[in-house]
Amino acid sequence: GAVVSQHPSRVICKSGTSVKIECRSLDFQATTMFWYRQFPKQSLMLMATSNEGSKATYEQGVEKDKFLINHASLTLSTLTVTSAHPEDSSFYICSAIPGLNNEQFFGPGTRLTVL
Amino acid sequence: AQSVSQHNHHVILSEAASLELGCNYSYGGTVNLFWYVQYPGQHLQLLLKYFSGDPLVKGIKGFEAEFIKSKFSFNLRKPSVQWSDTAEYFCAVGFQKLVFGTGTRLLVSP
Repeated sequence: GAVVSQHPSRVICKSGTSVKIECRSLDFQATTMFWYRQFPKQSLMLMATSNEGSKATYEQGVEKDKFLINHASLTLSTLTVTSAHPEDSSFYICSAIPGLNNEQFFGPGTRLTVL
Repeated sequence: AQSVSQHNHHVILSEAASLELGCNYSYGGTVNLFWYVQYPGQHLQLLLKYFSGDPLVKGIKGFEAEFIKSKFSFNLRKPSVQWSDTAEYFCAVGFQKLVFGTGTRLLVSP
């Protein structure tokens, strides 16, 4: 199946700093990528939809100025957590859809810990 | 807004026992339904999906699910579980944007 990678897999940062997480589709072009957040023992919550070449669409309650999404190419989307705070500590997961296919392929996730 | 309910949060079974995990969704229109599995330390993987057609869907690793429109349900089943099925299972609904249930942690004891 299609492979989606994320980098880094884990990151620890100080409060107030910014962290960039990359999501790559390795063997297909993804016109659409999604960013999810998963708190411990909870489900995945969709944060935003990222479309190549256009602005991301954020879900209600997600601060677009805090979670900057850039989908610069058909194989790369980045999520930047700006001025991170301890409450931003979470597991961030991206997914990608090849073309018009409805099936999403998920990345392995990035564990963010903000001290 | 769509919502998904998974009523079983934790399930413990012995090997060879039968499994059924419940999933109910709220949306009344045409839906795409999915079951994903997350093995310990691994990323989400698709078990099976329903878009249309035969409401009994067969997936990987011996799993199947039945879409019952009148009950807004899409329960996951496996006749005989194995220790390797220990994982967290998520039901999801949506077209491209997915709404996930809260997940069910399955522990299969050898």
